[in-house]
Amino acid sequence: AQKVTQAQTEISVVEKEDVTLDCVYETRDTTYYLFWYKQPPSGELVFLIRRNSFDEQNEISGRYSWNFQKSTSSFNFTITASQVVDSAVYFCALSELGGGNKLTFGTGTQLKVEL
Amino acid sequence: KAGVTQTPRYLIKTRGQQVTLSCSPISGHRSVSWYQQTPGQGLQFLFEYFSETQRNKGNFPGRFSGRQFSNSRSEMNVSTLELGDSALYLCASSLGLAGTNTGELFFGEGSRLTVL
Repeated sequence: AQKVTQAQTEISVVEKEDVTLDCVYETRDTTYYLFWYKQPPSGELVFLIRRNSFDEQNEISGRYSWNFQKSTSSFNFTITASQVVDSAVYFCALSELGGGNKLTFGTGTQLKVEL
Repeated sequence: KAGVTQTPRYLIKTRGQQVTLSCSPISGHRSVSWYQQTPGQGLQFLFEYFSETQRNKGNFPGRFSGRQFSNSRSEMNVSTLELGDSALYLCASSLGLAGTNTGELFFGEGSRLTVL
């Protein structure tokens, strides 16, 4: 069975601070996909990134970066120089090969960025 | 490009009633997935439809059902509503092709169902 754990329920930071959101996953499959989604107060989830299990290269997109480590089954997300607009709930998710769009989500981390 | 549209946005029902929720995907998207979001259980996958066929199903009772029409629009139905069905129901669309876009979902704002 798949499982995604986001141990941080809520994080509060001051604008311009860096913040890392942790994600640990469990799966028996050797081929799987990992995701991060953002849910702003309006409710709709916004896709941020997808990684497959064979690609452990870290990725950077503007102020966002992701660190994927198979050895520790972790897929952490870092926001550099956080901004108030980054305030949202962030979800890590996992899908297995052949699972289509059936994602297993973590419980989410509420990020609050204050001035 | 219009996003995913869900209707109604809010609704209140009583126990035992049934409800139908509608989802219009992004134009050109053939896959529609449904998720239930509650404070206690978080985000849980209900089902996915692709080209009018159910492609995946989550662990929900048979009271939860769905369908997809030839224009890719989808509906989900919950019969014999229970208090625990109160939730935000999110619809997500995608191109639906296996491979590089799998899991890259475009979500609607959801339909918030309250069961009294």
